[in-house]
Amino acid sequence: GAGVSQSPRYKVAKRGQDVALRCDPISGHVSLFWYQQALGQGPEFLTYFQNEAQLDKSGLPSDRFFAERPEGSVSTLKIQRTQQEDSAVYLCASSTGTAINEKLFFGSGTQLSVL
Amino acid sequence: AQTVTQSQPEMSVQEAETVTLSCTYDTSENNYYLFWYKQPPSRQMILVIRQEAYKQQNATENRFSVNFQKAAKSFSLKISDSQLGDTAMYFCAFIGLREKLTFGTGTRLTIIP
Repeated sequence: GAGVSQSPRYKVAKRGQDVALRCDPISGHVSLFWYQQALGQGPEFLTYFQNEAQLDKSGLPSDRFFAERPEGSVSTLKIQRTQQEDSAVYLCASSTGTAINEKLFFGSGTQLSVL
Repeated sequence: AQTVTQSQPEMSVQEAETVTLSCTYDTSENNYYLFWYKQPPSRQMILVIRQEAYKQQNATENRFSVNFQKAAKSFSLKISDSQLGDTAMYFCAFIGLREKLTFGTGTRLTIIP
């Protein structure tokens, strides 16, 4: 596709439910990032993939959060037993290479509301 | 870990005027990069401008320019001839060789017709 695509755009979950958020990066992009953006805040790093390898997951807030990118393209962020504090916009970004100054291309995010 | 501070939660300016958004940061690194991102209501973050710390010359992209003061750890964004489409949240961001991309809390900019 022309850009980074995320689905669903909105997700409402009852506390305790599991959710899965999908990211389709730009074709051929090596790097993929997940960020969490709480209301009124800037995005915060969750995890980073280089192709299919998850090189950094230090930002995942708890072991309820799990991310994968099995074939080095589409990525899924899974949150188990959702809590109210998980309510946020989850942004995915990709870039062509691995240099730290690479331009990131962001999706429009998934807004998760946990009731 | 570095911090990025944006002290102006909201700003507004008349169309066609110039506006400056402030950003300061704190880091112990010497080589790093600074960015300004725009986030419209669509939520998609869009890169506005990028500055390498080792370059003294301030970056410019059409109507957008920065004032990078390395010693003061300041990185402000100037928008000239502001347009209605510039209305958005603006985030300052930092990345270093040893640090992940870190965003400030953002400035909500409104361009008034």
